[in-house]
Amino acid sequence: KAGVTQTPRYLIKTRGQQVTLSCSPISGHRSVSWYQQTPGQGLQFLFEYFSETQRNKGNFPGRFSGRQFSNSRSEMNVSTLELGDSALYLCASSLGPVSEAFFGQGTRLTVV
Amino acid sequence: GQQLNQSPQSMFIQEGEDVSMNCTSSSIFNTWLWYKQDPGEGPVLLIALYKAGELTSNGRLTAQFGITRKDSFLNISASIPSDVGIYFCAGLRADGLTFGKGTHLIIQP
Repeated sequence: KAGVTQTPRYLIKTRGQQVTLSCSPISGHRSVSWYQQTPGQGLQFLFEYFSETQRNKGNFPGRFSGRQFSNSRSEMNVSTLELGDSALYLCASSLGPVSEAFFGQGTRLTVV
Repeated sequence: GQQLNQSPQSMFIQEGEDVSMNCTSSSIFNTWLWYKQDPGEGPVLLIALYKAGELTSNGRLTAQFGITRKDSFLNISASIPSDVGIYFCAGLRADGLTFGKGTHLIIQP
């Protein structure tokens, strides 16, 4: 069974641009969560989607948004990129909202 | 959201030594999970614990779900170089998953 797939793996963007990251969960999983990871900050929760609805949201500015499609695939978007948005963005999929999460390899975003 | 208190933050050990790390919280969790992250990769689930007092092994790894449901422990026996990485604990309950800040394990040959 294929794992969680995140695309792209690496991305370099310029300040002020926007970016869209994609996540395909494990087949049969309906819950997708997104995390931002920077050195020293651990895993910061962005948001969680279940059955196309945002179930939870972390403490991030409105520039960070996401959505989930009917096939459970999810995208997250960051608008007006700032240097501080440089991070590893991780997607995790679960069968449902209250079950073990399995992570993708992440997308390394560098903002210059 | 709330962070779990994971300790130690980092460990420098010799190859072959045993390793212990733990997570504590002021809140009760229904499930405890332990992950390992290699540099540049996503965390990989190592062990899941579902019941207070449960002790579960996965090879050289052993984890326990604390009796109070507010803590969990991970032990690694006879460490080897590939054990290097960041270990995260995570507590799961109805409002979702909460992560610790991680324990950096560095092994000196």
